[in-house]
Amino acid sequence: GQNIDQPTEMTATEGAIVQINCTYQTSGFNGLFWYQQHAGEAPTFLSYNVLDGLEEKGRFSSFLSRSKGYSYLLLKELQMKDSASYLCAVRNTGGFKTIFGAGTRLFVKA
Amino acid sequence: SQTIHQWPATLVQPVGSPLSLECTVEGTSNPNLYWYRQAAGRGLQLLFYSVGIGQISSEVPQNLSASRPQDRQFILSSKKLLLSDSGFYLCAWSASGGPGEQYFGPGTRLTVT
Repeated sequence: GQNIDQPTEMTATEGAIVQINCTYQTSGFNGLFWYQQHAGEAPTFLSYNVLDGLEEKGRFSSFLSRSKGYSYLLLKELQMKDSASYLCAVRNTGGFKTIFGAGTRLFVKA
Repeated sequence: SQTIHQWPATLVQPVGSPLSLECTVEGTSNPNLYWYRQAAGRGLQLLFYSVGIGQISSEVPQNLSASRPQDRQFILSSKKLLLSDSGFYLCAWSASGGPGEQYFGPGTRLTVT
């Protein structure tokens, strides 16, 4: 079967660092994506990993371990505007289907 | 630059009525196109995807259908809505041959009463 697991909710403090984990079991792998979704809005693309290791993009970094079926999104210097849901998604081999996790709701408090 | 349009933004329809949601993409050619539904507080459920004009793949058997009459136009339809069709409908595109990151339209919030 295909499955993507993420924590349902997390809370962190403004200025801190938070790590959102994602584990996946899918039929084939052709890339892992992270998206941000503010309440009531559409998701926006944050990051892409296809090889093992860390990809850094400003305050956001994403890590992938294909052998472990594991990824994390690291958010540094948290701001109130980072309060949102973060969706982990895996693209299957064949390239057209992407499976989305249910998302992690992050609450950033002052 | 590429933009994706989706309309209407909100829709309230009675059970049994028809549905037509439209999505268009500008600034790219031969995109892969997707329709998703998101129930309140839930993840994205892939409904349909298309890799070219007239080519539609259905992921979930239900009373919805999709069509792609033009390269950058994707339409989601239903002949008779059910209460369970309520949700947030999102259209997305990705570049054919690219890594696969998807860019979403603003969404349509559908309430079936």
